[in-house]
Amino acid sequence: QKEVEQNSGPLSVPEGAIASLNCTYSDRGSQSFFWYRQYSGKSPELIMSIYSNGDKEDGRFTAQLNKASQYVSLLIRDSQPSDSATYLCAVRVSGGGADGLTFGKGTHLIIQP
Amino acid sequence: NAGVMQNPRHLVRRRGQEARLRCSPMKGHSHVYWYRQLPEEGLKFMVYLQKENIIDESGMPKERFSAEFPKEGPSILRIQQVVRGDSAAYFCASSPDSAELFFGEGSRLTVL
Repeated sequence: QKEVEQNSGPLSVPEGAIASLNCTYSDRGSQSFFWYRQYSGKSPELIMSIYSNGDKEDGRFTAQLNKASQYVSLLIRDSQPSDSATYLCAVRVSGGGADGLTFGKGTHLIIQP
Repeated sequence: NAGVMQNPRHLVRRRGQEARLRCSPMKGHSHVYWYRQLPEEGLKFMVYLQKENIIDESGMPKERFSAEFPKEGPSILRIQQVVRGDSAAYFCASSPDSAELFFGEGSRLTVL
């Protein structure tokens, strides 16, 4: 049974601070990792993908992957009120696998002005 | 380049009726995925299709649900004899290479 775990929150962070979102996964064969942002009533929007251990930066976002600990995180620097949303962690077992992504239930992030 | 297009955006059905949800993938994308999202729940994988083929339907209920992606036209998720528990948001996603998935705006089904 593949599982992806996230703290549901809400996680409250003051504007301008760093928001840190965490995710653990159960399947050691997982190879592809993704972070999606979902505003209330809207569709998930891909923010970052990461495939190898270490950090990957894109603008204010940094994804971190530690396969040994089965842990992936997303850091948002200089948090803005517009970053307030639910952040979904997703994993896929194989590199280009036949099945779909497995999603966590998401962390609700609130950026306080 | 238009995104993933889903219709209808909202659909109301009475118990026992049929629901048909359509999804047109992004141009150049041949991989289509359907997910279901219940309120306060995560996205649950239902089925993965390529043109004219179902690749993985392990997340699809065995009865009343079916999906297709014909050679011409959109992918269709069909729910027969709907029940109240089918009320949810149904998201379609497409991919050029089964790596990164790009989601449509979703179809929100309400069963009365």
